[in-house]
Amino acid sequence: AQRVTQPEKLLSVFKGAPVELKCNYSYSGSPELFWYVQYSRQRLQLLLRHISRESIKGFTADLNKGETSFHLKKPFAQEEDSAMYYCALSNTDKLIFGTGTRLQVFP
Amino acid sequence: GAGVSQSPSNKVTEKGKDVELRCDPISGHTALYWYRQRLGQGLEFLIYFQGNSAPDKSGLPSDRFSAERTGESVSTLTIQRTQQEDSAVYLCASSWGGISYGYTFGSGTRLTVV
Repeated sequence: AQRVTQPEKLLSVFKGAPVELKCNYSYSGSPELFWYVQYSRQRLQLLLRHISRESIKGFTADLNKGETSFHLKKPFAQEEDSAMYYCALSNTDKLIFGTGTRLQVFP
Repeated sequence: GAGVSQSPSNKVTEKGKDVELRCDPISGHTALYWYRQRLGQGLEFLIYFQGNSAPDKSGLPSDRFSAERTGESVSTLTIQRTQQEDSAVYLCASSWGGISYGYTFGSGTRLTVV
């Protein structure tokens, strides 16, 4: 069965520290993976897609098919990065979401 | 419109009553999705519309749940005989070019069944 696992419910770091939000998936096929972010009192929004191989707000994510992972990374966290982050997997006609990780960045 | 609009933003209803939740997608977005998010849990897929048809309704949890979409725009999600376990945030999203381009989400309807 297709599944997305985000093992950490909460990740707390200090400003300037590196951040890695973990995401593992199970999927039989070629996956498309995404990271979505929800800032406080805002809507859930797309952060980045693995097919774009882009860096958004300093975040990057690399698809590792061998480890079935799509971890989200940022070398130097900022306070404004505090938010809920959801990893998602495309399954034909819909997205399957993980349970999310709350990132707290302390000053 | 400028974004995906959902109404009401909050709904408190008594157990056993029916509720109707509305979603106005972005104009021109042919795909529309409903998700449910219970407290502390991830987003749970409910149903997907492509135009007016629903090729995937596999996530609807029971026959108390139904949804329709008219005119390739507005969609309504109806929950009949609400139960306390239906309490959740119901999110709507739309997309113009398929999943690869990502979804645009609404702000959700918070449903509380008392």
